[in-house]
Amino acid sequence: EAGVTQSPRYAVLQEGQAVSFWCDPISGHDTLYWYQQPRDQGPQLLVYFRDEAVIDNSQLPSDRFSAVRPKGTNSTLKIQSAKQGDTATYLCASSLGRGENERLFFGHGTKLSVL
Amino acid sequence: GDSVTQKQGQVTLSEDDFLFINCTYSTTTYPTLLWYVQYPGQGPQLLLKVTTANNKGISRGFEATYDKGTTSFHLQKASVQESDSAVYFCALARTRNMGYKLTFGTGTSLLVDP
Repeated sequence: EAGVTQSPRYAVLQEGQAVSFWCDPISGHDTLYWYQQPRDQGPQLLVYFRDEAVIDNSQLPSDRFSAVRPKGTNSTLKIQSAKQGDTATYLCASSLGRGENERLFFGHGTKLSVL
Repeated sequence: GDSVTQKQGQVTLSEDDFLFINCTYSTTTYPTLLWYVQYPGQGPQLLLKVTTANNKGISRGFEATYDKGTTSFHLQKASVQESDSAVYFCALARTRNMGYKLTFGTGTSLLVDP
């Protein structure tokens, strides 16, 4: 079974540039999460979807970040105008279970450096 | 709100040493507690999970016990190997709003010398 696939693996940009991250979850997983992991810190939830619907985007900086999952499968996270503080690894995770049986499977992440 | 504290940023051991990684949590109710392991260049992988129904989790020689009295969830292993070198995250999980919200600690980097 293929795991969660993310691309690109790395991205380097100047402040003010835009970047998009792509995630292909495990087939059949209806819930998809995006996490931000700054260097030497734990992952922090940005947004998550159930099928194509956004369930919680309260931690997503809405002025510059956006996320979509139009067909309830793949997802794209976009940063409109990157800042140095956005330097982090962006992790995508997917899950299928419910309640205490839910288990998240993480991708390798996209490591972003904003110069 | 929920929070998880890992005070040890880095632990260095030799093979066959005993491992103890400290984790405490703060929350208003009894959550599910988890340990994740992250190898370089990879995403976190679930190591073990403990709910209020089963106070102890064991996986791959690692074990953690859910102690509601001290609000702790320390990770232990009797004898570490070089392949255990990785970053270990303690996490607290809540089921809410059709999702599974994880709150992670800052992580403990384990280096095992051969």
